[in-house]
Amino acid sequence: DAKTTQPNSMESNEEEPVHLPCNHSTISGTDYIHWYRQLPSQGPEYVIHGLTSNVNNRMASLAIAEDRKSSTLILHRATLRDAAVYYCIRSRGSNYKLTFGKGTLLTVNP
Amino acid sequence: NAGVTQTPKFQVLKTGQSMTLQCAQDMNHNSMYWYRQDPGMGLRLIYYSASEGTTDKGEVPNGYNVSRLNKREFSLRLESAAPSQTSVYFCASISGGTSYEQYFGPGTRLTVT
Repeated sequence: DAKTTQPNSMESNEEEPVHLPCNHSTISGTDYIHWYRQLPSQGPEYVIHGLTSNVNNRMASLAIAEDRKSSTLILHRATLRDAAVYYCIRSRGSNYKLTFGKGTLLTVNP
Repeated sequence: NAGVTQTPKFQVLKTGQSMTLQCAQDMNHNSMYWYRQDPGMGLRLIYYSASEGTTDKGEVPNGYNVSRLNKREFSLRLESAAPSQTSVYFCASISGGTSYEQYFGPGTRLTVT
C-alpha cells in the first residue's frame, strides 16, 4: 500500500515561501515521489517528481530527506493562483499508476 | 494541441441507465487512465491502459468497462448506473518511458438519481 501522510490544510501569505511536508516512512528504494495539485473545479496538474536527490523546476522545488522517509514541496513565492489541493504520491518503480490521498489544502492569503 | 479532452462535461442519469464517457488525447501518449473523485476525496483509479490494445483494472473497477479504441481514445462505460457512481470522472494520459508527468482532462461531472 503506497501511502503517504500529509497535513489536511496549510495557510500561507502571498509572495512568501511555502513548505508542504509529506511523510512516506515505508518507501522502498525504487519508489518515486510525485507532487500534483488540483485547482478548484479542475483536473490535477503535475508539479514535480523525484527519486533520491532534490529537484527543481519552473514551478517548485522538491527536497527529499536523506533517508527518503519524508519530502517537502517548496513553492518559492506563493501567489493566489497557487491556492489548491496538493497531493504527495508514491509510485512503485516504473509503475505509472498513481494513488491519490486527500492531499493538503493550501490557502494563500493576499 | 488540445491535450486531454473529455465529453460530456456534465451528465445526469437515472438509475439503471447506461452511458459512455469519452476521452481523447492528441499527445501520442502510450498510457491512459480513468479516475473517479468523490466529494472531499482524492482520485481513485478505475481502469488503465498501459498501451494500445491492453487494459487493466485499477482500485475500483466494479460497475465499469473500458475500451482502448486506438492510441488516442479511451472510453469508460457504465452499463447500469447506480447512485454510488455519482462522481467526477477524470481521464489522464502519460507518455511513459522516462516521463512521469500525467496529463489530466477537465473532468465529467456525473449525477445518478
